[in-house]
Amino acid sequence: GDSVTQMEGPVTLSEEAFLTINCTYTATGYPSLFWYVQYPGEGLQLLLKATKADDKGSNKGFEATYRKETTSFHLEKGSVQVSDSAVYFCALSEGSATNKLIFGTGTLLAVQP
Amino acid sequence: NAGVTQTPKFQVLKTGQSMTLQCAQDMNHNSMYWYRQDPGMGLRLIYYSASEGTTDKGEVPNGYNVSRLNKREFSLRLESAAPSQTSVYFCASSDTNGYEAFFGQGTRLTVV
Repeated sequence: GDSVTQMEGPVTLSEEAFLTINCTYTATGYPSLFWYVQYPGEGLQLLLKATKADDKGSNKGFEATYRKETTSFHLEKGSVQVSDSAVYFCALSEGSATNKLIFGTGTLLAVQP
Repeated sequence: NAGVTQTPKFQVLKTGQSMTLQCAQDMNHNSMYWYRQDPGMGLRLIYYSASEGTTDKGEVPNGYNVSRLNKREFSLRLESAAPSQTSVYFCASSDTNGYEAFFGQGTRLTVV
C-alpha cells in the first residue's frame, strides 16, 4: 500500500541555520503531498501542500517541491527560528473521495538560540 | 471559531474499562477521522467516515468502534481498554473535495 518515509530525528539546529527534512513516498496513483506541523501540546496543522508533480508548496518561509521522478517532497527553510521548534510530519492523500491521510513517523526539530 | 473539538483532553482507565471519546466539528465537513499517535510510529488511522451514515476501518481498527452520530459528530469507543491502547488520539475532519484536514487538540489516554 501507499506509504511515507521521512528522516528520523531529532534534528538540532542553531538559529538561522538551513533546514532540510527528507521525505519520500510510495504510491500507486497520483497522490497529493503535505507537510503538517505539531507544536508542543497541540494538534497538527497544515504547513504546506502540493497536489501535482513539480508543484512547490510554500508557507512561513518553508518550501517543498513535489518530485515525481524521485518520489520525494523534502521540506526546506533557509533560516530557522526558535519558534520553528516542533514535530514535522510528511503525509500523502490517496486522492480518493475520503481524503485519507497517510503519515510519516514525524521528525522533531529543535532550534537553539 | 471552534473547528474540531475533542473531549476529554486527558483520561486514565483501568484495563477492561470502557469509554467513548467525543469529537465534533463545526465546518460542515463530510469526512471525519480518528488517528492514534505513538512515539516513532507517526499517526495511524483507526477509523474514518466519508459521509454521514458511513464508517470504514483504517489501518489499526482492532479494539475500537465508531459512530457517526450526525454530520458534526464522530465518536470513538473502547469497549474493553488494554494497555496497548495507551496513546494520544486525534480526531480530524476534511471537505470531501478539499485537501486540508483539520485536527483537534488530542486526547491523551493512559490505560493501566
